[in-house]
Amino acid sequence: AQSVAQPEDQVNVAEGNPLTVKCTYSVSGNPYLFWYVQYPNRGLQFLLKYITGDNLVKGSYGFEAEFNKSQTSFHLKKPSALVSDSALYFCAVRDIGRDDKIIFGKGTRLHILP
Amino acid sequence: DAGVIQSPRHEVTEMGQEVTLRCKPISGHDYLFWYRQTMMRGLELLIYFNNNVPIDDSGMPEDRFSAKMPNASFSTLKIQPSEPRDSAVYFCASSLVGVLYNEQFFGPGTRLTVL
Repeated sequence: AQSVAQPEDQVNVAEGNPLTVKCTYSVSGNPYLFWYVQYPNRGLQFLLKYITGDNLVKGSYGFEAEFNKSQTSFHLKKPSALVSDSALYFCAVRDIGRDDKIIFGKGTRLHILP
Repeated sequence: DAGVIQSPRHEVTEMGQEVTLRCKPISGHDYLFWYRQTMMRGLELLIYFNNNVPIDDSGMPEDRFSAKMPNASFSTLKIQPSEPRDSAVYFCASSLVGVLYNEQFFGPGTRLTVL
């Protein structure tokens, strides 16, 4: 079955430092991967997706993600963290054989320290 | 567009009562998804529709849960009877064609508390 794993429940980063939120995947076939963000008391918002092409995907709010096939990873990154980036981040993968359903990871809470 | 609209935003009820959650997807979107989020289980897909037809309800926890989509602009998720373990935030999301082409747009959620 398709799945993603987010090994860290929480990540703390000082404001201005680079941040990384980790995600690894397990899929049959080509991986279609996504990142979503959830701010407090809000629904999830789409950040970026990898379907094919360049391994470095750029998304909203200055975020980017690096697809690494050999390591089966899709880590979310940002060069300089802002306090406003503090939120819950979800990695997700397309379900096998389906174009319409994605499976979310359990989420990683990102704290940016002022 | 106002985005995905959910009502009510908060619901507090007593065990055994019927609860109905409502969702209005973004106009023109042909997929609608219902999710449940708890601290223990994270984000779970309950059911989703394509063009008002239920496609996959394998995530619905039990027969107490039911969902309908009578038309393209309205969906309900009903719990009858409700139990304390149903307490969670319930999200509705919609998308245009499918996740490969368009992201899912989430509503603000309904926070359900069953006493």
